[in-house]
Amino acid sequence: DAGVIQSPRHEVTEMGQEVTLRCKPISGHDYLFWYRQTMMRGLELLIYFNNNVPIDDSGMPEDRFSAKMPNASFSTLKIQPSEPRDSAVYFCASSSRQYQETQYFGPGTRLLVL
Amino acid sequence: KQEVTQIPAALSVPEGENLVLNCSFTDSAIYNLQWFRQDPGKGLTSLLLIQSSQREQTSGRLNASLDKSSGRSTLYIAASQPGDSATYLCAVRGNAGNNRKLIWGLGTSLAVNP
Repeated sequence: DAGVIQSPRHEVTEMGQEVTLRCKPISGHDYLFWYRQTMMRGLELLIYFNNNVPIDDSGMPEDRFSAKMPNASFSTLKIQPSEPRDSAVYFCASSSRQYQETQYFGPGTRLLVL
Repeated sequence: KQEVTQIPAALSVPEGENLVLNCSFTDSAIYNLQWFRQDPGKGLTSLLLIQSSQREQTSGRLNASLDKSSGRSTLYIAASQPGDSATYLCAVRGNAGNNRKLIWGLGTSLAVNP
């Protein structure tokens, strides 16, 4: 398997623009996680899905953030409108109950909002 | 509220040295604890997962221990090599219901000098 795939790898945008991050989990995994990593706050869970259903979105910072998982092989994280404080690295990870819940991370999307 | 602390924040050692990274957590009611490695500009890679009923896990030169009652875990790296240079993060999962949320430490940045 190719592992967790994220796109784009880098995104530079201007404040107020809409940003969409994409993730393809490992085939057969039933959990998908979206994280944000910054130097100050470290790694923070934003939301996670089980079998395409959002389970815990308590980490989503505000209404500007939304996430969807229309099927088992695709998820999006959208920020609208974007703000400079959203600049961070966003990771997607997936896991399977069959493999002790070890989370497999994608390479991340480095977002810079000017 | 669970909090995870990692000490030290940074560590620099000569090649060949044995070393210990520390992780502490405030709530002992955990389901499991995981250690991850993150290389610069990359995603995270799971190293070891310890269930709450276990005391330690080993993989090659890595050994992780868990003392749930005292809220501590250590990652022992034997005969360190320059290739071990990375940031090491620990994360705990609470045992409340079926929640898969992980709480993360800020990591220890390790440099192994040749």
